[in-house]
Amino acid sequence: EADIYQTPRYLVIGTGKKITLECSQTMGHDKMYWYQQDPGMELHLIHYSYGVNSTEKGDLSSESTVSRIRTEHFPLTLESARPSHTSQYLCASSLAGGRGDTQYFGPGTRLTVL
Amino acid sequence: GENVEQHPSTLSVQEGDSAVIKCTYSDSASNYFPWYKQELGKRPQLIIDIRSNVGEKKDQRIAVTLNKTAKHFSLHITETQPEDSAVYFCAATSLGGSYIPTFGRGTSLIVHP
Repeated sequence: EADIYQTPRYLVIGTGKKITLECSQTMGHDKMYWYQQDPGMELHLIHYSYGVNSTEKGDLSSESTVSRIRTEHFPLTLESARPSHTSQYLCASSLAGGRGDTQYFGPGTRLTVL
Repeated sequence: GENVEQHPSTLSVQEGDSAVIKCTYSDSASNYFPWYKQELGKRPQLIIDIRSNVGEKKDQRIAVTLNKTAKHFSLHITETQPEDSAVYFCAATSLGGSYIPTFGRGTSLIVHP
């Protein structure tokens, strides 16, 4: 079934650890996005990608990096996690061009940094 | 860049009442306006959208209106039910390869039984 997947769903780690949040979509979408969201609050765009080998920074600088080596895969890496990174991270994808820009969101990764 | 303002931040209604959430945008190049619903603990999901060549769109109890001249669009929910309780986000973007949607800050709708 075409969908967007995120792993892990929950993660508790210590300060200073390096972590990678995984996101994969099977919908063949060109664009992919990472958002940070505290429960029920606004969506903060962290990174986005127009396609393979394209990565851009969003409005929120969270000391993270992304890569887009394959169309379906868009991992987010935190080099050194801090308590301020505690939040939910949502991955999303959409088609590019005039075919519509509806975003499809993954289930999220809830990160706690101790 | 685009700026989207969303009001109110919280809306409390009685079951059966109507609810209206309003958004304004700044970039006249924006031509696609989706609305997403996020239930507690769930992911945001598209509930309705409108393109700039249409002034109104309806889907059962929900409708969206667009005023391009004033640069504002609204979500209308009639006959609200407790399951409508959620956070609603509006967004504005332009249909094209390089545009990224800009989201409003969200409205928490509470429907009291």
